[in-house]
Amino acid sequence: DVKVTQSSRYLVKRTGEKVFLECVQDMDHENMFWYRQDPGLGLRLIYFSYDVKMKEKGDIPEGYSVSREKKERFSLILESASTNQTSMYLCASSLSQVHYEQYFGPGTRLTVT
Amino acid sequence: AQKITQTQPGMFVQEKEAVTLDCTYDTSDPSYGLFWYKQPSSGEMIFLIYQGSYDQQNATEGRYSLNFQKARKSANLVISASQLGDSAMYFCAMRGSGGSNYKLTFGKGTLLTVNP
Repeated sequence: DVKVTQSSRYLVKRTGEKVFLECVQDMDHENMFWYRQDPGLGLRLIYFSYDVKMKEKGDIPEGYSVSREKKERFSLILESASTNQTSMYLCASSLSQVHYEQYFGPGTRLTVT
Repeated sequence: AQKITQTQPGMFVQEKEAVTLDCTYDTSDPSYGLFWYKQPSSGEMIFLIYQGSYDQQNATEGRYSLNFQKARKSANLVISASQLGDSAMYFCAMRGSGGSNYKLTFGKGTLLTVNP
């Protein structure tokens, strides 16, 4: 079974802090994704990566950056956390550009106070 | 641009009955795919079923089937013989074609409640 893990289930940070959310997949998937999920808005893509050190902006990249130094790990960085970044963050991975099914991690519920 | 619309914020169904969750989509891509995901209260997104735009038959996976009507741009999920464990949020999603065809666009979801 594909396993996608996220470093924290719940996280509380203060405004202005730098926040790192980590995601690891164990199935040698090429593609990795970060979404945020808010009530009534569904899932929105923040960033994705199709290879090590490669990244592309999604629909809502402002205020976020990402890092993919190793194939299995994809990090989401909030450079200076703000209260409007309080949300559920979901990481996902997919095998390749022709295998579209995405496997999701359990999510990190981030609260910025 | 791609768009997914789920018009039912919430649905109720009696245990053992069938239920249809609606999904309409809009895209200009000639080739695309449609997904349904389930999200229980635990939060993890679970893949249910996939339909490619050129697939001749509607996709089925156990109790799940996808009613794909290309001309109407709809991809409704049908759950047969509902179970209490089916209570969850359900999301319809789409992938397009071209350079980033593995990106997914999600709808806002439908909350399904199965009553005993």
